[in-house]
Amino acid sequence: QVLLVQSGGEVKKPGASVKVSCKASDYTFTTYGVNWVRQAPGQGLEWMGWISTKDGNTNYAQKFQGRVTMTTDTSTSTAYMDLSSLRSDDTAIYYCARGRSPFDWFDFWGQGTPVTVSS
Amino acid sequence: DIQMTQSPSSLSASVGDRVTITCRASQTIDTYLNWYQQKPGKAPHLLIYAVSSFHGGVQARFSGSGSGTNFSLTITNLQPEDFATYYCQQSYRTPLTFGGGTRVEI
Repeated sequence: QVLLVQSGGEVKKPGASVKVSCKASDYTFTTYGVNWVRQAPGQGLEWMGWISTKDGNTNYAQKFQGRVTMTTDTSTSTAYMDLSSLRSDDTAIYYCARGRSPFDWFDFWGQGTPVTVSS
Repeated sequence: DIQMTQSPSSLSASVGDRVTITCRASQTIDTYLNWYQQKPGKAPHLLIYAVSSFHGGVQARFSGSGSGTNFSLTITNLQPEDFATYYCQQSYRTPLTFGGGTRVEI
């Protein structure tokens, strides 16, 4: 069974950075890309971007351009999402989700990583 | 960006009911329309992709339809485990966008 296991919750101060990991198992990592989606408390879903696990190409939502960096480590089948210059409105649950391309559905999701930004 | 508008934002229903959730895109998205279910405290999971194709073990009481800009998700014979929030999503153009969600309550 495909599994995406994310790192644990984080508490950060405004202006700091956070790096969330997403470790994939039970499928060939490089055959699917990874999306990152966030959900603020009580709110809907917001797509942040997608990364190819084959070649590292990225497709970021313009809203996050310059603040987000998505990377992968194929040796450990792990994807990472780094968000910098954190603000209080970045407080959310961050999810990774598998998708073949940026124009594909998200067929498996990680369990989510809560990130709290507070002074 | 393509705006996705879901309606209603919430609805109350009973076990055994038939419910329909609609999703409208601000421009044509062909058949790049997907539906997700999310239960409280859990990650979303894929129900239907490409308008009407089932993912994994999704029950046949779920069905999707539509094309262009207007889409719908129908749940027949509503079961207790179906009470959740449902999101549509377009994957036609980036940034990928979601509808605001429809909460199905008892």
